[in-house]
Amino acid sequence: RKEVEQDPGPFNVPEGATVAFNCTYSNSASQSFFWYRQDCRKEPKLLMSVYSSGNEDGRFTAQLNRASQYISLLIRDSKLSDSATYLCVVNLSGGYQKVTFGTGTKLQVIP
Amino acid sequence: NAGVTQTPKFRVLKTGQSMTLLCAQDMNHEYMYWYRQDPGMGLRLIHYSVGEGTTAKGEVPDGYNVSRLKKQNFLLGLESAAPSQTSVYFCASIPSGTGGLAGAAYNEQFFGPGTRLTVL
Repeated sequence: RKEVEQDPGPFNVPEGATVAFNCTYSNSASQSFFWYRQDCRKEPKLLMSVYSSGNEDGRFTAQLNRASQYISLLIRDSKLSDSATYLCVVNLSGGYQKVTFGTGTKLQVIP
Repeated sequence: NAGVTQTPKFRVLKTGQSMTLLCAQDMNHEYMYWYRQDPGMGLRLIHYSVGEGTTAKGEVPDGYNVSRLKKQNFLLGLESAAPSQTSVYFCASIPSGTGGLAGAAYNEQFFGPGTRLTVL
């Protein structure tokens, strides 16, 4: 089992749709979690951190489920500009070298 | 602030040639990292540095060397390039924040724009 797994997609959704991505992680001791966004041929950029209680930033909502060892990202009212690859990042505290990136989920928002 | 910059942006090498990739950051970040990104593999950590004069191996260090002589610069060297090193290379930096390296695990990574390297 990979340490961090994501459905590669692509997810093709119409504008205005709601879309959700999940990311599973194998290490139950993992302590910090992030979603990064990567546009085609660009560098990754932080979208949001994921907190235990869940957090929201505008149209984006992130959730953490420690019991089932997954994090999720919900995007409401999808925009064309949301088209990108979304990377799940999981860190095991105690050393930055434990950071693990998922392979990413590609989202294409269609007019 | 320029943030994190990388040079060169593109490079084509022949097998056996050497080159150095430069990463520079102007944010006074303590921690710097080199990753490679390959299709279907995600980003993988090559080497990292927790401060000026320090370096450490990451997940895939073989075939690469690094140096951090100045806090703002982190160099990645390929002594004898191989086709397996064809990849996109990203540099990233993280502020130290509180809690040292463990605390850095909770901080945002700032990435450079990447270097696309092809080894023929």
